[in-house]
Amino acid sequence: GAVVSQHPSRVICKSGTSVKIECRSLDFQATTMFWYRQFPKQSLMLMATSNEGSKATYEQGVEKDKFLINHASLTLSTLTVTSAHPEDSSFYICSARDQGQGHNQPQHFGDGTRLSIL
Amino acid sequence: AQRVTQPEKLLSVFKGAPVELKCNYSYSGSPELFWYVQYSRQRLQLLLRHISRESIKGFTADLNKGETSFHLKKPFAQEEDSAMYYCAPRGSSASKIIFGSGTRLSIRP
Repeated sequence: GAVVSQHPSRVICKSGTSVKIECRSLDFQATTMFWYRQFPKQSLMLMATSNEGSKATYEQGVEKDKFLINHASLTLSTLTVTSAHPEDSSFYICSARDQGQGHNQPQHFGDGTRLSIL
Repeated sequence: AQRVTQPEKLLSVFKGAPVELKCNYSYSGSPELFWYVQYSRQRLQLLLRHISRESIKGFTADLNKGETSFHLKKPFAQEEDSAMYYCAPRGSSASKIIFGSGTRLSIRP
């Protein structure tokens, strides 16, 4: 089945650091990937839609300069949390859809990245 | 506005009892509906989708357009069903999935 790989799985760093998270579709191509954030005991909130070869589409209230998204290839999207602060600590999850199988495919999810800013 | 509601945060039932996890949605057009499940320490995974009309792990869900509901049901709960369940509509096949707040299902032995 379709596999989405996320790296790293856990990051602990100091306030002010920029952190990059990678999301890869391992056995399929994805022109679109999605980035979600999940705070403890809450649901997944969509942050942005990553589009291969073009700008990402951000959800309302998500700062595009804070959360930089790059989708340079059909199998890789990256999320960079710039100048991270403690309030950015969260669980970040990426998702992708195997569009090679047609438009009607479900989204597959990575294992997530737990980001802790000290 | 697009909205999905899972009214129960926690549902606790005994093993062997029937289970129903409620989901109501408010979407323009004809959305696709999914149920995703997250077992302890595992990634989110697709459980079932309304267009497939199939039963996975004994779970079924019927889309009721009149009531705008997509409740998840299982006639006899098993302990391994304990997990977090998310109802997730998608506006069209090309768009994003939005998640409900989730229901934690706990099956008591």
